Amino acid sequence: GAGVSQSPSNKVTEKGKDVELRCDPISGHTALYWYRQSLGQGLEFLIYFQGNSAPDKSGLPSDRFSAERTGGSVSTLTIQRTQQEDSAVYLCASSSQPETQYFGPGTRLLVL
Amino acid sequence: KQEVTQIPAALSVPEGENLVLNCSFTDSAIYNLQWFRQDPGKGLTSLLLIQSSQREQTSGRLNASLDKSSGRSTLYIAASQPGDSATYLCAVKRGGATNKLIFGTGTLLAVQP
Repeated sequence: GAGVSQSPSNKVTEKGKDVELRCDPISGHTALYWYRQSLGQGLEFLIYFQGNSAPDKSGLPSDRFSAERTGGSVSTLTIQRTQQEDSAVYLCASSSQPETQYFGPGTRLLVL
Repeated sequence: KQEVTQIPAALSVPEGENLVLNCSFTDSAIYNLQWFRQDPGKGLTSLLLIQSSQREQTSGRLNASLDKSSGRSTLYIAASQPGDSATYLCAVKRGGATNKLIFGTGTLLAVQP
């Protein structure tokens, strides 16, 4: 079946602009995760959604970052007033708790 | 705070060699440990998942072991092939109220033909 998909695959934006990144999880997976992979920081957790429970936002680096998951499926990660240090690959994963997390191909964000 | 370290950071071996990648974690209270591979410009592909109650998992030429008490896991790759060249990441899940993965620093593997 279809895996996790993310869009766009690449995004170039100017400092100060807002960006929205989209994740379509595997159908039926109740858990959805966002991670960020940047040079020098490795791969770090951002936010986790599980069903209708309150999301675990403990990894969001600042209040410029937010995410929502509508209808228990698609998720969008929004970065407001982007900064150059936001440049990274943003990875989404989904799982059928508590098993393996399946990752999407990522969105490569470059903030100029 | 859980910290996950992988050694070596990079490894280059000739084709056909058996090799071991190491992963260590500071907090033994883990729910499971997962090994991934990442190809350049791609996402992560799950290789093996070991539950905290398990000692090892095998898939084809790959074998992963887990020693919770010592905070270590190893990924053994038998008869390496050039197609195995990638970055290998281990990640631990603590479970409980949080299900986030804490990733290691990664090992960049190059298998020379």
